[in-house]
Order: sequence, then structure tokens, then C-alpha cells
Amino acid sequence: DTAVSQTPKYLVTQMGNDKSIKCEQNLGHDTMYWYKQDSKKFLKIMFSYNNKELIINETVPNRFSPKSPDKAHLNLHINSLELGDSAVYFCASSPRGAGRQFFGPGTRLTVL
Amino acid sequence: QQPVQSPQAVILREGEDAVINCSSSKALYSVHWYRQKHGEAPVFLMILLKGGEQKGHDKISASFNEKKQQSSLYLTASQLSYSGTYFCGTERSSNQGGKLIFGQGTELSVKP
Repeated sequence: DTAVSQTPKYLVTQMGNDKSIKCEQNLGHDTMYWYKQDSKKFLKIMFSYNNKELIINETVPNRFSPKSPDKAHLNLHINSLELGDSAVYFCASSPRGAGRQFFGPGTRLTVL
Repeated sequence: QQPVQSPQAVILREGEDAVINCSSSKALYSVHWYRQKHGEAPVFLMILLKGGEQKGHDKISASFNEKKQQSSLYLTASQLSYSGTYFCGTERSSNQGGKLIFGQGTELSVKP
């Protein structure tokens, strides 16, 4: 009965590769987010979608492309991975873009 | 525009109290508090909307002074389970789609 789930939990890959992270929520929320948490635990918002529409797009390299096929799913595709992309990526959701946010378990991405 | 948290780290004995502060240089609409245990996702504690309210959650409470753009999290009679990193997340307005800017975190360790 996981509220927000992400796959995979761990991702180890070489520089230059392309990878995707998937996120699903079963809470019926309208809004989903992607956050990046670096090695210093700094948690920074990357993107937000509300009912499949992109509403927040922070200054993220365009190698990162989110896709929301429906309001329960938000995937993150990363092209040409770089060492600096190594981090934990969290998906989150909230009702109508407000209120408490429910975080998924995170995906630890390591770029070698 | 990242809010500043203080202290950066605190060590307590079980039963002691602690206060974690969050200050912003910008006017705020709301402040969220989250706790993250090592290797886990951030977990919501409470949200405070502008209006100077104070909220409680068992022995954890918080206040929000919108004029000073500050929020404080109060942990009383701390328990071992309180250990973790505490983040405040701030919203500048109600129409930003839930965009949270997080502070750098405060690491709390509760020892027996």
C-alpha cells in the first residue's frame, strides 16, 4: 500500500549514458514533484506537474526531461549523465499543489 | 532565497528540549517542517500558514512569525526517535504550485 513509489531504488551507471527513474502515487493527488538531494543533503526542487501539466521548471539542465503520462505517474529521463548528476532523487506528491507533500523512498543515482 | 536554519547540528540527551529556527529574507506564505532519517525520505511534520499560528504535534510544536519571516520548531522531552535531519520548507505565495524552498537542514542527535 505504498503511497508514493519509485523505481529503481539504486542506479549505478557510466558517464554519458541515458537513464530513467519512474514514480507512481496512489493517493489521488493532482500534483507531483521531482527533487534532487545532493551529498550535503541540500534538497532542491527540479520540476512539478499538476494534472499532467508542467508548472514548475527550475534552472535544471535540459538533459533532464520529466514526463507525466497521467496524474498518477511522473517519470524523469536524464540524457548524457555527468558525474555531478550523482545524488538522491525524490519524487513527491501533494493535493492540488498545496499542503503537505508525500515523498517517495528516493532513487540513489551514482554516475561513474 | 534559501531559508537559513540554525543551529546546523544539535546533540541532546533523552528528555532534553531543543529549538530549531528557520529564517527567510523574503515574505512567506507558509512554512513546512519535515524530518528525514538517514537513508530515508523526508516525512512531513507540520505546516504553518501566515497568521502567526502555532501548531502542535505530540511533543513537537512550531510557530510562525510572518512579520519576522521566521519559524521555530520546538521539540520537548526529546526521544531517541526524534533523531534525524530537520528541514524547513518555505512557500512565497499560495499560487506557486506548492514550490518549496528548503533550508540546509539541522541535524539532531538524541543520545540515551
